[in-house]
Amino acid sequence: NAGVTQTPKFQVLKTGQSMTLQCAQDMNHEYMSWYRQDPGMGLRLIHYSVGAGITDQGEVPNGYNVSRSTTEDFPLRLLSAAPSQTSVYFCASSRLGTSEVAEAFFGQGTRLTVV
Amino acid sequence: SQKIEQNSEALNIQEGKTATLTCNYTNYSPAYLQWYRQDPGRGPVFLLLIRENEKEKRKERLKVTFDTTLKQSLFHITASQPADSATYLCALDLYNQGGKLIFGQGTELSVKP
Repeated sequence: NAGVTQTPKFQVLKTGQSMTLQCAQDMNHEYMSWYRQDPGMGLRLIHYSVGAGITDQGEVPNGYNVSRSTTEDFPLRLLSAAPSQTSVYFCASSRLGTSEVAEAFFGQGTRLTVV
Repeated sequence: SQKIEQNSEALNIQEGKTATLTCNYTNYSPAYLQWYRQDPGRGPVFLLLIRENEKEKRKERLKVTFDTTLKQSLFHITASQPADSATYLCALDLYNQGGKLIFGQGTELSVKP
């Protein structure tokens, strides 16, 4: 049981380049999310999804696109990277909470530098 | 404006003592509050959740309190050990939807032997 897997672990991009951060989970969770973590600011929600075909914006969505074609995968796309997108990105998954605890399971993170 | 804040300074304590971390929030009415641990270079790991109608929750050496009147949660680690050194994050969960959390900035705890 791998949990939440993110690739790559590290990436350097030039301003204006595009790339996709990959995220996969094997726990059959309905909910998947992308956060970015910057020094002194905690984790901020970028986009989230409650199931295949359904996505919505979080607190800081500008410059990022997502899609959810399967339950397992939730890629994050940067269409034109900017230095302000230099950050550590975390993908998370969780059950859609009802009577159970909806704890989030996080991947190991992708450290992205845009030069 | 809506805000969630944790101890702004890093917390340094001696092994064996109790560490107390604070999480304050304004202009939210969370149904749940979660605490996570994060080690350097790793993703956050879930520790505890407390519901709005619960005053206190315990798990081994961990204790969490939740005061919705004060809009504050306290996180205690008793008999602290150097292995407890990490950053601890509190997160508001407005709807019991673990995928849509509002995080504080974290408190770095260092336990000295």
